[in-house]
Amino acid sequence: GDKVKQSPSALSLQEGTNSALRCNFSIAATTVQWFLQNPRGSLINLFYLVPGTKENGRLKSAFDSKESYSTLHIRDAQLEDSGTYFCAAEAGSAKLIFGEGTKLTVSS
Amino acid sequence: EAAVTQSPRNKVAVTGGKVTLSCNQTNNHNNMYWYRQDTGHGLRLIHYSYGAGSTEKGDIPDGYKASRPSQENFSLILELATPSQTSVYFCASLGWGGAETLYFGSGTRLTVL
Repeated sequence: GDKVKQSPSALSLQEGTNSALRCNFSIAATTVQWFLQNPRGSLINLFYLVPGTKENGRLKSAFDSKESYSTLHIRDAQLEDSGTYFCAAEAGSAKLIFGEGTKLTVSS
Repeated sequence: EAAVTQSPRNKVAVTGGKVTLSCNQTNNHNNMYWYRQDTGHGLRLIHYSYGAGSTEKGDIPDGYKASRPSQENFSLILELATPSQTSVYFCASLGWGGAETLYFGSGTRLTVL
């Protein structure tokens, strides 16, 4: 429900542009994971984060446990980045709570 | 590469019938999870397990049972299926792939008529 809130719920980008997705937590998240669900429905792990930042190619993610949020930055968006992005937070006990997702559409 | 296999991929059941969804992982991961995905709700946790013989209730366990008879297998059981349980179900295991990572199966689309 509201324990993990993602914004925006939907986003349209032109190829080559940049954007940021956000998750806010109302639980004491200790770790965060980001996933992409591609148009075929497969869920792909993008990042696992303890407080701090990670970068992988055109993607960069940050997790601030004190301010209870995480961000996913997409640089130079490509058509294959389209899909639904989910964040999931763990607050101990290995139980991961997912947000409702951000649906990203990249067009040429 | 860690692999999680779900079966069946698609299932049609009748109201009141029993449905068993199966999940297998050969990654030797301890923790396994069952989620359902519905439009507007993202993924919601039904049951999870810390290892063989363990099952824990997630956020929406009502109407579902789980069974973890071995490290590799984690089943989700609907004793009396209802149309509200029509959904896509995902199984996942949590393991160390350079970092602690959740690996998902391909999903099971269940329709209860």
